[in-house]
Amino acid sequence: SQQGEEDPQALSIQEGENATMNCSYKTSINNLQWYRQNSGRGLVHLILIRSNEREKHSGRLRVTLDTSKKSSSLLITASRAADTASYFCATDADRWSGGSNYKLTFGKGTLLTVNP
Amino acid sequence: KAGVTQTPRYLIKTRGQQVTLSCSPISGHRSVSWYQQTPGQGLQFLFEYFSETQRNKGNFPGRFSGRQFSNSRSEMNVSTLELGDSALYLCASSPEGRGNTIYFGEGSWLTVV
Repeated sequence: SQQGEEDPQALSIQEGENATMNCSYKTSINNLQWYRQNSGRGLVHLILIRSNEREKHSGRLRVTLDTSKKSSSLLITASRAADTASYFCATDADRWSGGSNYKLTFGKGTLLTVNP
Repeated sequence: KAGVTQTPRYLIKTRGQQVTLSCSPISGHRSVSWYQQTPGQGLQFLFEYFSETQRNKGNFPGRFSGRQFSNSRSEMNVSTLELGDSALYLCASSPEGRGNTIYFGEGSWLTVV
């Protein structure tokens, strides 16, 4: 079952614009991670945000987390054609107890197209 | 530091055959997990290993199995392949698998014909 749901499913913007993607999830989490996937390739880790954090930055990326609304957003500023990819949020939906049962649950992703 | 390495990158198998995929985690990482990615089902968790023990398993049939060696390298095996097993199989590693960043490899593309 999918824990995270990204919104929108597809987003097309012009180079230089900002892109915002949202993710909603259903259960309590320990942390939430954002990944990028270029077509046919593996997942590239972007940012991890813990449940006690509200905002994190990394270069042109800004992630927010609202645990009361069970949602997160990924903002890419000053987008580039190279940012064209699918973006996934993944949640650690199981609270750790005794060192077992860890896994990531992914949403279906947002396909971002940045037009030059 | 080398990333997560998966082999082979591409393979084609016939229905009914079996396949073994290999994964070498990032040096020092002891947790290795496997995911299946298909257009219809998205990314789904298969299983996770830590110190040669399977700690968690997703909702896949028993045809899907895995193991981890003492050097943390892992293999997954799919027996009696079905057309629906065609997918990108992704391996991931992390230091402990608990609340840490999880790093993925480039994946193994399996096509079943």
